[in-house]
Amino acid sequence: DAGVTQSPTHLIKTRGQQVTLRCSPISGHKSVSWYQQVLGQGPQFIFQYYEKEERGRGNFPDRFSARQFPNYSSELNVNALLLGDSALYLCASSFRLQSIYEQYFGPGTRLTVT
Amino acid sequence: TQLLEQSPQFLSIQEGENLTVYCNSSSVFSSLQWYRQEPGEGPVLLVTVVTGGEVKKLKRLTFQFGDARKDSSLHITAAQPGDTGLYLCAGAGGGSQGNLIFGKGTKLSVKP
Repeated sequence: DAGVTQSPTHLIKTRGQQVTLRCSPISGHKSVSWYQQVLGQGPQFIFQYYEKEERGRGNFPDRFSARQFPNYSSELNVNALLLGDSALYLCASSFRLQSIYEQYFGPGTRLTVT
Repeated sequence: TQLLEQSPQFLSIQEGENLTVYCNSSSVFSSLQWYRQEPGEGPVLLVTVVTGGEVKKLKRLTFQFGDARKDSSLHITAAQPGDTGLYLCAGAGGGSQGNLIFGKGTKLSVKP
């Protein structure tokens, strides 16, 4: 079975631009979460979606938004990019919403803001 | 705010040595997961521990969840160069949300 897939793999943007990252969960998984991982740190929670509804939001500014589609894939949008947004953006899927259900991560999208 | 502290931050050992990595918090977690991450890749789930005092073994890796569900440890026996990577612990806070709270990780280097 295919794992979590993310696109693109790498992305270079300029300050002030907007970016859209995409994620396809493992087949049968209905929950998708987004995490940001800056160099030398553990991943930080951004959003969780379940059944197309936002179920959780981390401590990130309103420049960050996301949505989930009927096929459970998801997009993460970041507006007005700042240098500090440079990071590895990870998508994780799980079978159910509750955290006791294990999350499986994709390979990530490396975003560089110049 | 729930926080997870991992120690040590860096660990460099020779092949064949044993090591233990710690993950501590002042908060209770409903479950705790351990991941291994290689550079430029996403974290790969190693194990989930749910019950206080639980011990799980995965070949040369032994995971323990503290009785109070506030801490966990990962012990590797006879480390191999293939064990090199970033080891992350992540706690599930419980409730209706599914977000994980990660520690900063332990960067392990096993030299042949």
